[in-house]
Amino acid sequence: AQKVTQTQTSISVVEKTTVTMDCVYETRDSSYFLFWYKQTASGEIVFLIRQDSYKKENATVGHYSLNFQKPKSSIGLIITATQIEDSAVYFCAMRSNMGYKLTFGTGTSLLVDP
Amino acid sequence: EAAVTQSPRNKVAVTGGKVTLSCNQTNNHNNMYWYRQDTGHGLRLIHYSYGAGSTEKGDIPDGYKASRPSQENFSLILELATPSQTSVYFCASGDWGGSSYEQYFGPGTRLTVL
Repeated sequence: AQKVTQTQTSISVVEKTTVTMDCVYETRDSSYFLFWYKQTASGEIVFLIRQDSYKKENATVGHYSLNFQKPKSSIGLIITATQIEDSAVYFCAMRSNMGYKLTFGTGTSLLVDP
Repeated sequence: EAAVTQSPRNKVAVTGGKVTLSCNQTNNHNNMYWYRQDTGHGLRLIHYSYGAGSTEKGDIPDGYKASRPSQENFSLILELATPSQTSVYFCASGDWGGSSYEQYFGPGTRLTVL
């Protein structure tokens, strides 16, 4: 069975700084996908970024990037130049290459202060 | 633009009553999912479907049934609602492969069972 763990319950940062959110995962699969989702205060859940396990280079989308450390089963989310609107709950998730299910972590709440 | 809608958005039910949550997607995705979100647990998968006529048990299926009568519609059914099923329920759709790996989420349904 797969497991995703986010140990940081909440993080507070000042606007325009860089924040890193941690996520570790457990799987027996040799090929898998890792995702980060954002849930806004309104409850909306949106996809942010994906890392394929077979790719060595870290994924980057806009001001979101990933720190993929496969030997440590770790996939950190880095947000650079944070903005007030980045305040949200961030979920890490994974899926086996052979499966249809996503397994989510418990989320990290980010507060960006002016 | 991908679109997943849910109805109702809010529901108050009585213990022992039947509750049906509906989900509609216009993405033409084969896969659809029902999750519940509770504080401290993140998103947990209840049921999912590969296509019209199919339903599969997720990680926490007890007390829930699902129905996928068409490509667009996926329902979650609580035959005998209990207070422990008070939660926020999210529907999602997605396909795997090509450029589409993520799931698209609906706005959520807040269910209170008294």
